[in-house]
Amino acid sequence: DQQVKQNSPSLSVQEGRISILNCDYTNSMFDYFLWYKKYPAEGPTFLISISSIKDKNEDGRFTVFLNKSAKHLSLHIVPSQPGDSAVYFCAASVYNAGNMLTFGGGTRLMVKP
Amino acid sequence: DGGITQSPKYLFRKEGQNVTLSCEQNLNHDAMYWYRQDPGQGLRLIYYSQIVNDFQKGDIAEGYSVSREKKESFPLTVTSAQKNPTAFYLCASSIQGSDTQYFGPGTRLTVL
Repeated sequence: DQQVKQNSPSLSVQEGRISILNCDYTNSMFDYFLWYKKYPAEGPTFLISISSIKDKNEDGRFTVFLNKSAKHLSLHIVPSQPGDSAVYFCAASVYNAGNMLTFGGGTRLMVKP
Repeated sequence: DGGITQSPKYLFRKEGQNVTLSCEQNLNHDAMYWYRQDPGQGLRLIYYSQIVNDFQKGDIAEGYSVSREKKESFPLTVTSAQKNPTAFYLCASSIQGSDTQYFGPGTRLTVL
């Protein structure tokens, strides 16, 4: 039973537009969420995180929104650039409970020039 | 230059052989992890270690073994008991008490 789900396996966006990647979770104990970006044949790179005490966190072009009641988070990339084309994974944890992360299946983002 | 290294990048083995994947970090992180990624899937936790000489099984530990004799090193052995070992293997580390993990470049293992 997947506790973290990314229901869209792929997303295609025009350069300069907004990319919105979605993630849903079922475990109400999760209180810390992260997004990673991964290029083929490379390790994931940490992008941005958010704790459950906040509903938004921004870092440059990347913003993560958390809706605890809906058990849903999203990553917004504005404006999207061709270099953003990669697979994005969301991950969740129970904060400070062994540092264990549960990952979603990933969404492949393609940003077209 | 601090980071996590995994070697080799590509590894081939014959069915029935054990193989050991290397993971080294010079970030002074206490915790280390091994994940497996299959095509079109997310990362699944194999083993993790929060301190030297101690490690725990993750979700898919069967057919794998690890050791943590040094803080910097967390090698993973894929044994012949692992039924479907062909995959991309990722090592990660984190500071004790932090949930942000940092990943190495990965090793692609192919069983022939």
